[in-house]
Amino acid sequence: GAVVSQHPSWVICKSGTSVKIECRSLDFQATTMFWYRQFPKQSLMLMATSNEGSKATYEQGVEKDKFLINHASLTLSTLTVTSAHPEDSSFYICSAPKGPTSGGELFFGEGSRLTVL
Amino acid sequence: AQSVTQPDIHITVSEGASLELRCNYSYGATPYLFWYVQSPGQGLQLLLKYFSGDTLVQGIKGFEAEFKRSQSSFNLRKPSVHWSDAAEYFCAAANSGGYQKVTFGTGTKLQVIP
Repeated sequence: GAVVSQHPSWVICKSGTSVKIECRSLDFQATTMFWYRQFPKQSLMLMATSNEGSKATYEQGVEKDKFLINHASLTLSTLTVTSAHPEDSSFYICSAPKGPTSGGELFFGEGSRLTVL
Repeated sequence: AQSVTQPDIHITVSEGASLELRCNYSYGATPYLFWYVQSPGQGLQLLLKYFSGDTLVQGIKGFEAEFKRSQSSFNLRKPSVHWSDAAEYFCAAANSGGYQKVTFGTGTKLQVIP
């Protein structure tokens, strides 16, 4: 089946530093990828839609300058948490649809757990 | 506003017992509906999905779900739960014609006791 891979799985960083998370579709091309954030014991919240070759679309309340998204190729989207602070600590998950928009399904990465000290 | 509601935050069942996880949705039109399972520290795996047609949907790992339009529900069921089913389950929905914005329920954590 389709596979979406995230890297790194775990990352710990100091407050003020920036962290980049990669999301790759391994056996299919994804013009669109989605980035979610999951707080402990809560559901997934869509942060932004990553579009290959164009700017990402952010959900209301998500800081564009804080969470930089780049969709450089049809198989790679990156999320950079800039000047990270402890409140940015969370589980970040990406997903990508395979196939036509009507009837396809989302494939999720393994998630990346960010801890900001 | 579009929403997905999972009224049960935590459910405990005995191994071998039947399971039903509830899900209700609020959408303008019948959305695409999904159930995902998440093991601790892992991403999400699709169990099953409903787009149209037969309202009883079969999924992986012996799960099934029934779409009831009159109740705006899409409950997940399994006749006999195994210890390995312990995980968090998310119901999700997306506008028909596309799944770009998937709305997730808050999740139900399933605990299985021997």
